[in-house]
Amino acid sequence: EIVLTQSPGTLSLSPGERATLSCRASQSVSSNYLAWYQQKPGQTPRLLIYAASSRATGIPDRFSGSGSATDFTLTISRLEPEDFAVYYCQQYGSSPYTFGQGTALEIK
Amino acid sequence: QVQLVQSGAEVKKPGASVKVSCKASGYTFTSYYMHWLRQAPGQGLEWMGIFNPSGGGTSYAQKFQGRVTMTRDTSTTTVYMELNSLRSEDTAMYYCAREARELGFDPWGQGTLVTVSS
Repeated sequence: EIVLTQSPGTLSLSPGERATLSCRASQSVSSNYLAWYQQKPGQTPRLLIYAASSRATGIPDRFSGSGSATDFTLTISRLEPEDFAVYYCQQYGSSPYTFGQGTALEIK
Repeated sequence: QVQLVQSGAEVKKPGASVKVSCKASGYTFTSYYMHWLRQAPGQGLEWMGIFNPSGGGTSYAQKFQGRVTMTRDTSTTTVYMELNSLRSEDTAMYYCAREARELGFDPWGQGTLVTVSS
């Protein structure tokens, strides 16, 4: 089973700042099938990034994903008030399809 | 548009079973795998298993082996997840999500809250 470790656990930033979230895998993610999801309280997870660096339909271009193999990053270039949420990475290259524990992005 | 609509909230007693439905619309039902996931209150996301609506094949997370069953009704384009021998730790929001292979899991159902309490 691939274990995904996200860091930091909590990130405190102000609107307009840049956010960098990390996801490290215990072994290489097959085909770089690594996704990022955003979840706000009481809402369903929303797909942001798939295949490590491709933005899902309708996702603003301030969200970008990068990385390969075992190290992946989600970057939000300029934080908007609606971006404060919990972010999860997920690998879907090999079963079982595992998630990181999440990074909570909070307003400073 | 592609949509997954799940059944309503359930309250069950320990030892009982629950069956959650996920009705798919807006795409060819048999062309995409369906996954089931859950999220306990205040916790992260946990993958439960994958279901192939075309042939009915399944693969379950080891943690749920022997307790979970995924099925479908192609006439109503609905996938089902049944979890047996419920315990309090199974209290969670349960989601179905369509897998579009390299495109990830999208969309997700709205979630079904299952509460296990005596």
